[in-house]
Amino acid sequence: AQSVAQPEDQVNVAEGNPLTVKCTYSVSGNPYLFWYVQYPNRGLQFLLKYITGDNLVKGSYGFEAEFNKSQTSFHLKKPSALVSDSALYFCAVRGDTGRRALTFGSGTRLQVQP
Amino acid sequence: KAGVTQTPRYLIKTRGQQVTLSCSPISGHRSVSWYQQTPGQGLQFLFEYFSETQRNKGNFPGRFSGRQFSNSRSEMNVSTLELGDSALYLCASTMEGARYYEQYFGPGTRLTVT
Repeated sequence: AQSVAQPEDQVNVAEGNPLTVKCTYSVSGNPYLFWYVQYPNRGLQFLLKYITGDNLVKGSYGFEAEFNKSQTSFHLKKPSALVSDSALYFCAVRGDTGRRALTFGSGTRLQVQP
Repeated sequence: KAGVTQTPRYLIKTRGQQVTLSCSPISGHRSVSWYQQTPGQGLQFLFEYFSETQRNKGNFPGRFSGRQFSNSRSEMNVSTLELGDSALYLCASTMEGARYYEQYFGPGTRLTVT
């Protein structure tokens, strides 16, 4: 079975400061990892993915994520937070074999204070 | 390219009724997945369709069913609605192929059961 843990329900950061949203995963085989963002009353928007290759993945809106196989982590980062980054962030995983459905974490609410 | 569309966006039903939700994937995408999002359970996978066939199914009762048409549009049906079925139902589409793994989500249908 595959699973995702997002240990923080909420992350608070001041505008202009770096942010990190944590994610750890468990999956059989090689992981395909994703980050999505959800704004109020909206669906999920794709931010970035790790399939293979470089451990540092760059995505939309200045976000990036670092894949760490030994720690089974895929933390989302941004060097300088914006107030408009305030939203709900979901990490998701699927294995490279078997079921294609994504397993999502519980979500982390990011609050960027001006 | 138009995104994933879902209709209706909002729906209010009474316990015991049945409901049908519709999803039109991005043009060229043949895989459609459905997810249920609730505050308590988070995002949970319902089922996935590809080429009119259900390819994967989550752990939901038989009251939840779906289908896919030859143009890749998909519908999901919930019969004998219960209060606990109140949720945001999200549809996601994927282009099959080696390079494409991310799922693109629609805005969702907000179902309220009273």
